Amino acid sequence: DGGITQSPKYLFRKEGQNVTLSCEQNLNHDAMYWYRQDPGQGLRLIYYSQIVNDFQKGDIAEGYSVSREKKESFPLTVTSAQKNPTAFYLCASSMGGGGRETQYFGPGTRLLVL
Amino acid sequence: AQTVTQSQPEMSVQEAETVTLSCTYDTSESDYYLFWYKQPPSRQMILVIRQEAYKQQNATENRFSVNFQKAAKSFSLKISDSQLGDAAMYFCAYRGGLGGGATNKLIFGTGTLLAVQP
Repeated sequence: DGGITQSPKYLFRKEGQNVTLSCEQNLNHDAMYWYRQDPGQGLRLIYYSQIVNDFQKGDIAEGYSVSREKKESFPLTVTSAQKNPTAFYLCASSMGGGGRETQYFGPGTRLLVL
Repeated sequence: AQTVTQSQPEMSVQEAETVTLSCTYDTSESDYYLFWYKQPPSRQMILVIRQEAYKQQNATENRFSVNFQKAAKSFSLKISDSQLGDAAMYFCAYRGGLGGGATNKLIFGTGTLLAVQP
């Protein structure tokens, strides 16, 4: 059945290490997004992609990188430059990038720093 | 810049009763969309209901309905016949209607934690 999958569910990062969070969707959606959620806060946009091989920075892109080589996949790399990576990361997708398009979310990945 | 405010950090309701969660927003845009998302303990964000600003009629989805007051920039969520499964964090979100990408990103409030008492 259709949906958005994220893996792993939990991820541990050591100091100075880059880690990659996976996001896959089989909804045939063009647009994909990465959000970060910190305790007591709403979600903040990290990166988004409206089409394959194109992506744009959101509000808090520093210390993160993404790629969009396939329509179904939008992996997020948390680099060593991200000094406070502990958070809950949510991937979302929508049919198009326009405002009328509803975003649907994956189950999330919790990233913890060792 | 657009902002979304949820002034109730926590709410409680008895099972089978009705509860209303408040949300206000600030925008200078005329075309936009408003959403309520539910985040249960599993932490997956689930769409509850959506409202188009150009529609005067309030959106409803089964036991969930909204009171959309465009002039007052208010968008409250009413949950009728509350069930134990409704216990979750509820987020109000705004998205501008023009352009694409980050120009109409989802902007979230800080959430309201709803407890349902048996």
